[in-house]
Order: sequence, then C-alpha cells, then structure tokens
Amino acid sequence: IQVTQSPSSLSASVGDKVTITCRASQNIDSHLNWYQQKLGYAPKLLIYTASTLQSGVPSRFSGSGSGTDFTLTISGLRPEDFATYYCQESYGTPQTFGQGTKLEIK
Amino acid sequence: EVQLVQSGAEVKKPGESLKISCKVSGYRFSTYWIGWVRQLPGKGLEWMGIINPDNSDTRYGPSFQGQVTISADKSINTTYLQWSSLVASDTAMYYCATKQHLIRLPFDYWGQGALVTVSS
Repeated sequence: IQVTQSPSSLSASVGDKVTITCRASQNIDSHLNWYQQKLGYAPKLLIYTASTLQSGVPSRFSGSGSGTDFTLTISGLRPEDFATYYCQESYGTPQTFGQGTKLEIK
Repeated sequence: EVQLVQSGAEVKKPGESLKISCKVSGYRFSTYWIGWVRQLPGKGLEWMGIINPDNSDTRYGPSFQGQVTISADKSINTTYLQWSSLVASDTAMYYCATKQHLIRLPFDYWGQGALVTVSS
C-alpha cells in the first residue's frame, strides 16, 4: 500500500487552523494513524484509527476520513505544535508511513 | 510508566556486524508487538518490521527483508535489530516502538532512538 501525504511543508501562524491530508493507494478502512515528531525526538502518537485521540493529546488535534482519504486538522495552532507530522497506514504489513509534513512558523 | 530503553549510539566500519536492543518495561498488555523504524539523516520514517515476542512471528518491510534480522527474548522483554554486514547507507537513527496485540493498532510508545553511524 502506498501512502501519499500532502503538503510536504506548510507555513502558518499561531492561532491558525491547518489541515494535512493523507491518501492511501487502496482501501484501508480506518487503519490510519498520525504522529508528531519534534526535532531530535522520537515520534509521538496523536491519533489512531483515523479519528481516535490518543490519551493526553490536546483536543485541538482531530482526524477524519476512511477508505483512502484522511485528514489531520489542528485548530488554533500553538507554538509547541510546530513540528513534522506523519501519517501511517496499519491495514496490513508493511505499515507504510507518509512522507511527512513539516509545519513551520510563518 | 511504560519505558522502551534502547542501546546506545554505535560507530562501526563497513562490513562489520551489529546488534542493537530495545528493552520494554511497564507495558500493560501482556501480548504486544515491537516494531523497528528507520530514519535516515534529515529524512522521514521508514517501517522496517515487527515481531511478536510471544511466538516470534516476524514481518519485514520489502526494503529490509534479507538486510536485517529482528529477534526477541521474551524472558527479558528485549527485542533486537541485527546486521551481519553494515554499509554506509545504514547510517541512520533507529527507533523501536510497541504496538498492542492487534497488528492493525498504531505504535503507541517509542524508544529514544539509537544512532548508528557506519563510516570507514
């Protein structure tokens, strides 16, 4: 399964709402996860099964989609949200990651 | 508290072998998978493979099949990633991560990463 994530980079301001998309090459039902990675740190799980918020993750993060098209939305960007975001399909094996979206401060 | 503690940074020469480890503690699920993820310098995440330490069921990504070996010692809650002959392009950060017993669930906890540098 191929996973195409877009955009590869994104500039936004504190308080903005941003959306990142992920498209799978075949139907993966809701088996799509989102991770955040800050420079020099391991990735952190944000959302799994397309829309379930991992414990402790702020509610400004949300996910949606099913089948082949998915989105991650961050509503009301905070300074600590500027990082790189990855989607990952977990429908079968291998469980491919998207190419990543680097979210930068405008 | 869940902890995945990886072995330290390694500097090796091309052709050398290497085995790095990942020890899990505090994970509340008795059955789980451990995966390995590669991150080349300045690049994205690549899914290398996963193992179920209970039965040694192991799956590899196509780019890594035959290039690395994933193994586990359930008695000490430790998983390993091994190379028999390193090449310069193996230089990367390697992360281990846990996944609950259902293989379709995400990686929920991650190790701190192990930097492997291969240089002559």
